[in-house]
Amino acid sequence: SQQGEEDPQALSIQEGENATMNCSYKTSINNLQWYRQNSGRGLVHLILIRSNEREKHSGRLRVTLDTSKKSSSLLITASRAADTASYFCATDAAIGGSRLTFGEGTQLTVNP
Amino acid sequence: DTEVTQTPKHLVMGMTNKKSLKCEQHMGHRAMYWYKQKAKKPPELMFVYSYEKLSINESVPSRFSPECPNSSLLNLHLHALQPEDSALYLCASRALLGSPEAFFGQGTRLTVV
Repeated sequence: SQQGEEDPQALSIQEGENATMNCSYKTSINNLQWYRQNSGRGLVHLILIRSNEREKHSGRLRVTLDTSKKSSSLLITASRAADTASYFCATDAAIGGSRLTFGEGTQLTVNP
Repeated sequence: DTEVTQTPKHLVMGMTNKKSLKCEQHMGHRAMYWYKQKAKKPPELMFVYSYEKLSINESVPSRFSPECPNSSLLNLHLHALQPEDSALYLCASRALLGSPEAFFGQGTRLTVV
């Protein structure tokens, strides 16, 4: 079963604006990861946040984690047309071996 | 080399055919994954191999048969598939110790006719 749910399902913004995507999950996790997928091909890892962390930054990416609410958000600042892609959160379960389970995803469109 | 290589990129097969998908990585990762992804949906976990042993099978039908011949290779054998099995099949690998990020191949686009 899918662990995470994301909102919004689709997001359309103008270049230069910020994009925020949210992810909720159900069980205890070791970490939460965000991935990007272009045009239905392979996924690329963007950023990871561990269960004992609350916020991390990497370039134009900022991710937060609230374990009490079982939720995370990904912020992309100063978006570019090249950021157009699907974004998925993935949870690394605390129990259950190496299970890496993906949320429903957000389709981001950045208009030039 | 941070690449996961999947072959073939595209595959069309009949419902009575037998075919195999292949995945290879040389990063020394000891966990390897098969995911199935339908259009506009997230990747759905099928199988996980840890140290070349099957550790997770997400109740996948037996017409999908995984195999991990060594620490670098992962196969998915297909037999008697149904049209609804048409999807993008993704392979991934990651380290069991150290950084938990997963590396994905570009996938095999499978069409069952």
